[in-house]
Amino acid sequence: KAGVTQTPRYLIKTRGQQVTLSCSPISGHRSVSWYQQTPGQGLQFLFEYFSETQRNKGNFPGRFSGRQFSNSRSEMNVSTLELGDSALYLCASSFTLRDTQYFGPGTRLTVL
Amino acid sequence: EDQVTQSPEALRLQEGESSSLNCSYTVSGLRGLFWYRQDPGKGPEFLFTLYSAGEEKEKERLKATLTKKESFLHITAPKPEDSATYLCAAHNFNKFYFGSGTKLNVKP
Repeated sequence: KAGVTQTPRYLIKTRGQQVTLSCSPISGHRSVSWYQQTPGQGLQFLFEYFSETQRNKGNFPGRFSGRQFSNSRSEMNVSTLELGDSALYLCASSFTLRDTQYFGPGTRLTVL
Repeated sequence: EDQVTQSPEALRLQEGESSSLNCSYTVSGLRGLFWYRQDPGKGPEFLFTLYSAGEEKEKERLKATLTKKESFLHITAPKPEDSATYLCAAHNFNKFYFGSGTKLNVKP
């Protein structure tokens, strides 16, 4: 069974630009969550989707947004990038909202 | 306040020197306690899920246990390849709560 895939794996952007990250969950999984991981803050929850609906949202500014499609694939978008947005962005999928989450390899975003 | 605290932050062991990592939680309505292993630059890899106090699960040199207030990840006779950051997470009906992790370094 294929695992969670994230694209792209690496991304370099400049301040003020916007970026879109993609996540394909494990086949059959309907819930996707997004996390930001930095050395100083650890894993910070961004948002969670189930059946194309955002079910939960973390404490991030409105520049961070996401969506989920009917095939459970998910995208997150960050607009007006800031230097502090440099991080590893992780996507996790689970069968339902409170099952074990399985993580993808992450997208490393560097903002210059 | 619902939260998960892991200790120690970092742990250095000699190969073969057994030890335990701690995960304390104050999450109301706990539905599950999870352990993950994360290698640098990679996504966390799922290890165990524990659902009720007294439950234990084992995988190779790792054993996870759960009480009503904390979970332990016991590492028996570790090898250098066990070096990684170990994360625990607790979830209730609302969300997942992740600890900040324990960075384990096993020296040969």
